[in-house]
Amino acid sequence: IAGITQAPTSQILAAGRRMTLRCTQDMRHNAMYWYRQDLGLGLRLIHYSNTAGTTGKGEVPDGYSVSRANTDDFPLTLASAVPSQTSVYFCASSAGDSTEAFFGQGTRLTVV
Amino acid sequence: GQNIDQPTEMTATEGAIVQINCTYQTSGFNGLFWYQQHAGEAPTFLSYNVLDGLEEKGRFSSFLSRSKGYSYLLLKELQMKDSASYLCAVADSNYQLIWGAGTKLIIKP
Repeated sequence: IAGITQAPTSQILAAGRRMTLRCTQDMRHNAMYWYRQDLGLGLRLIHYSNTAGTTGKGEVPDGYSVSRANTDDFPLTLASAVPSQTSVYFCASSAGDSTEAFFGQGTRLTVV
Repeated sequence: GQNIDQPTEMTATEGAIVQINCTYQTSGFNGLFWYQQHAGEAPTFLSYNVLDGLEEKGRFSSFLSRSKGYSYLLLKELQMKDSASYLCAVADSNYQLIWGAGTKLIIKP
């Protein structure tokens, strides 16, 4: 089934640990995004990639890094997790500007 | 700054009609999206408006007025499964999506 897959679906992480959230899509979309969603706030963009080999910073990039080595994969890394990074993380992809975004099922991350 | 405003929560009755409003102030405008998000799930696309007017898609319709910075999502013949959060998002001049906090819609029998 075509779509976008995230792993893990949930994780409890000790503060200070490094963690990579995985995201893979098979729709050959150029653009990919990482968002975090916190209660009472809208989705906030962490990092994005308009095409393989390029990445950009979103609204809340501090403490996160991404890479886009190929079209399909867009991992998000927390170098040293802090409790404020407790959130639900969504990966999304789209074919291009002003086209609908497809979301992964989300990763619920708790940093303790 | 960029801002999207929508009501936090609304309640409606099964079988009725509900209108969810969204106002926006963004640097540029390249379209407005509505997404539906059930609790614990990912957002799913509902509609896209880039020109003024009404777009109808089954029981759901979306309206846009660019001069007023205003949109609404109209849901008809409400069903219990429509209980969800509805997210408004605007693509700005760089085509980045700016998201509202979402409107939680509660449907009562």
